Amino acid sequence: DAGVTQSPTHLIKTRGQQVTLRCSPKSGHDTVSWYQQALGQGPQFIFQYYEEEERQRGNFPDRFSGHQFPNYSSELNVNALLLGDSALYLCASSFYRQRYGYTFGSGTRLTVV
Amino acid sequence: AQSVTQLDSQVPVFEEAPVELRCNYSSSVSVYLFWYVQYPNQGLQLLLKYLSGSTLVESINGFEAEFNKSQTSFHLRKPSVHISDTAEYFCAVSVYGGSQGNLIFGKGTKLSVKP
Repeated sequence: DAGVTQSPTHLIKTRGQQVTLRCSPKSGHDTVSWYQQALGQGPQFIFQYYEEEERQRGNFPDRFSGHQFPNYSSELNVNALLLGDSALYLCASSFYRQRYGYTFGSGTRLTVV
Repeated sequence: AQSVTQLDSQVPVFEEAPVELRCNYSSSVSVYLFWYVQYPNQGLQLLLKYLSGSTLVESINGFEAEFNKSQTSFHLRKPSVHISDTAEYFCAVSVYGGSQGNLIFGKGTKLSVKP
């Protein structure tokens, strides 16, 4: 049973560019949450998607946007990249009706130069 | 708003010694509590969680944590560590109520187990 799959694993982008990160949830999960983990910090909640809608959002600017598809997979888009966006981006999937049964992916390491 | 403080950024310990990783939280409402572990170049794995009931929770690999509401703490302990326990450990909270609240993490504690 595959867990959470994130792609790509590593990415280097130039300041000002746009990036799209992808996440396939664990089989049976219908909810996807995204977190940003800067170097030396704990993960910070970006947003959560369920039924193709953004359900919760953390304290991140509108440059961060997302999407959830009918097959429950999700994308995280970041526009106008800043050096400070360099981080590990983690996707976590869960089943909406099961309390806190999150499964995290291994993340995408984004480096902005 | 909720916040989590992990009091030690790094904890070096010798193999087979006991260890305690400290976690304090701040919240004006009831919370759920979690410990996650992150091995190098990997995502987060749930170690244990407190949702309700007994204040002492245990994991399958020998870790335990005790919820102390009066001290707003959720310290993680293991009586005898192994080299394989070397990793970064994150304490997290989520607001009580609702099934899918977001997690608020501390900055992490790097546990280094030496032979």
